[in-house]
This record gives sequence, structure tokens and C-alpha cells, in this order.
Amino acid sequence: QKEVEQNSGPLSVPEGAIASLNCTYSDRGSQSFFWYRQYSGKSPELIMSIYSNGDKEDGRFTAQLNKASQYVSLLIRDSQPSDSATYLCAGYNQGGKLIFGQGTELSVKP
Amino acid sequence: DAGITQSPRHKVTETGTPVTLRCHQTENHRYMYWYRQDPGHGLRLIHYSYGVKDTDKGEVSDGYSVSRSKTEDFLLTLESATSSQTSVYFCAISERKGGGGSQPQHFGDGTRLSIL
Repeated sequence: QKEVEQNSGPLSVPEGAIASLNCTYSDRGSQSFFWYRQYSGKSPELIMSIYSNGDKEDGRFTAQLNKASQYVSLLIRDSQPSDSATYLCAGYNQGGKLIFGQGTELSVKP
Repeated sequence: DAGITQSPRHKVTETGTPVTLRCHQTENHRYMYWYRQDPGHGLRLIHYSYGVKDTDKGEVSDGYSVSRSKTEDFLLTLESATSSQTSVYFCAISERKGGGGSQPQHFGDGTRLSIL
């Protein structure tokens, strides 16, 4: 079992819809989680950090963490074609290493 | 944007030659990391540094060495490049390593390395 798992996608949503990206993790001791956005040919860019159970909102983005279910999600409201990218979920394991999921490719259709 | 500069941005070289990639930061962050990113494998940690002259191995360290003589510079060396090391290499920095309330890592623009 991979330490951080994501559906690879592609996930396709129409412009204006809500995109929901999901991630599960296996290390129950993990405490800190991050979402990165990576455009094709570019480097990962941090878009959200979440450290405690519940929701954290930043503009059109909402990160959700459920430690009991070992589940992290990212919601993108009012999706735009410019949101089309690969989204990477990452979490620090108990050994202090940042573990990345394989990424979910999101396509927002005009 | 975090002040991270990777050089070179692109390099093509031949099997068996030595290659050095440089990562330079202006943030004075303690931790620096080298990753490679390949289709089907995602981001994989090669080596990391937790201070000047302090380094440790990641999950794919074979064939790579690193050095950190100054806080701002972290070098990745392929002593004798092989075709399997063709990849995109990213440097990342963070203020603090894993644990509660850990700081995220910020990435440089990457180096695209092709070994023929």
C-alpha cells in the first residue's frame, strides 16, 4: 500500500462546477498535509496547507482533513479552465519525510 | 515566490559523464531537498540536507551524491550518469522538517536532464 494515494484521473469538470480531489494516507501518525498544483512542464506550487481536522478555506479552495478516516480532500469551487493541472497531495509521515501522492489530473472544460 | 534558483535548467549529456546540478536559495532555510520526477513514479526523494555539511539519503539515492558547504547552496552530483537517470530534478526548501505543524516545502523551477 502506498503511503499517500490519489486517483490519477483524469478528472473532467465543466467550467463553473465544483472539482473534488481526494487523497488517503496510511501513516496514522501523519499530522501535516499539503496540496500542490503542477502545470504541465512546471514545478509544484503550494496552494493549501492543513494541519487539523476540519475544513480550511482560501478563496475558491477548501481543504478538508479527517484524521479518523485518514482522508484529505481539496474542493475547487467555480472551476476555471486555468485550474486545469495536476494536483499533488502530500503529507509528512512519522519519520519526517514528505510523501507525495501520484497526483490527480484535473481538466476544466469551457 | 520562494527564492530558489536551479541551474542549469536543461542539460543533455552522454552516459558515463559526471553531472552536477546546483540549487541556490535566498531564504536562509535550514532544510534542502533533491527530488526526481518521472511518469508513473511521481516525486521521489533523492537526498536531503538539514544543515551545512549535514546530509542524508532519500528513497532513490543510489548513483547520486550531494554536498552542502554553505546554507544557500545544495549540489547534486551524478558521478557517472546513466540513461536511467534521465528525469526532471527538483530542488525544494523548508524551514523545518516533519512533525506537528510542519512547514511545507517550496520548489525550484526544475532541471530537465537527458542522458543519451
